[in-house]
Amino acid sequence: DADVTQTPRNRITKTGKRIMLECSQTKGHDRMYWYRQDPGLGLQLIYYSFDVKDINKGEISDGYSVSRQAQAKFSLSLESAIPNQTALYFCATSQNPGSGTGELFFGEGSRLTVL
Amino acid sequence: GDSVTQMEGPVTLSEEAFLTINCTYTATGYPSLFWYVQYPGEGLQLLLKATKADDKGSNKGFEATYRKETTSFHLEKGSVQVSDSAVYFCALSDPYTGGFKTIFGAGTRLFVKA
Repeated sequence: DADVTQTPRNRITKTGKRIMLECSQTKGHDRMYWYRQDPGLGLQLIYYSFDVKDINKGEISDGYSVSRQAQAKFSLSLESAIPNQTALYFCATSQNPGSGTGELFFGEGSRLTVL
Repeated sequence: GDSVTQMEGPVTLSEEAFLTINCTYTATGYPSLFWYVQYPGEGLQLLLKATKADDKGSNKGFEATYRKETTSFHLEKGSVQVSDSAVYFCALSDPYTGGFKTIFGAGTRLFVKA
């Protein structure tokens, strides 16, 4: 089983619908991240969480919200999806400073299409 | 702020050719540098890393050396295989001034022909 699991892997939805992408991890890491990947733009950070009570906005948080339900779970929501949110979304985890070098461990991605 | 710039793709090579993908960075602190690889239909995975100047990261025949004087971390492989076809991302992470937020380059797609 994957250490970082994302569900759903693929989702097609319509403009205005609410969508939730879920991420769970078995690595025991405190830090979790949501990234968005668009062709030619690399990965852009949406939100990150350094522990259950700490949530921070990334570069492109507008239109998104997150919930850290437990150390192992970090969900991303699109309250009212729009077509330009069509992208590949990745969840990732990392160790805390002092325990590692900042290496990220990724899930397999969730492909979202908004019509 | 910190940033990463890598060469645009796609890069198309024949099997057994030499590969170089250029990567340069700007950073205010002392970041760790990474190369991640994304195979078709998969998430990113760490290919190699270097945590301080002059360190060489290596894995699966790929190498990259952390060059502080030129702020570069170029990826090289002496003889590519078809199975190396993927997207390669250069990245940096500074645990103390960047809060462990990783900054990615735009990615370079590599196609290797048999």
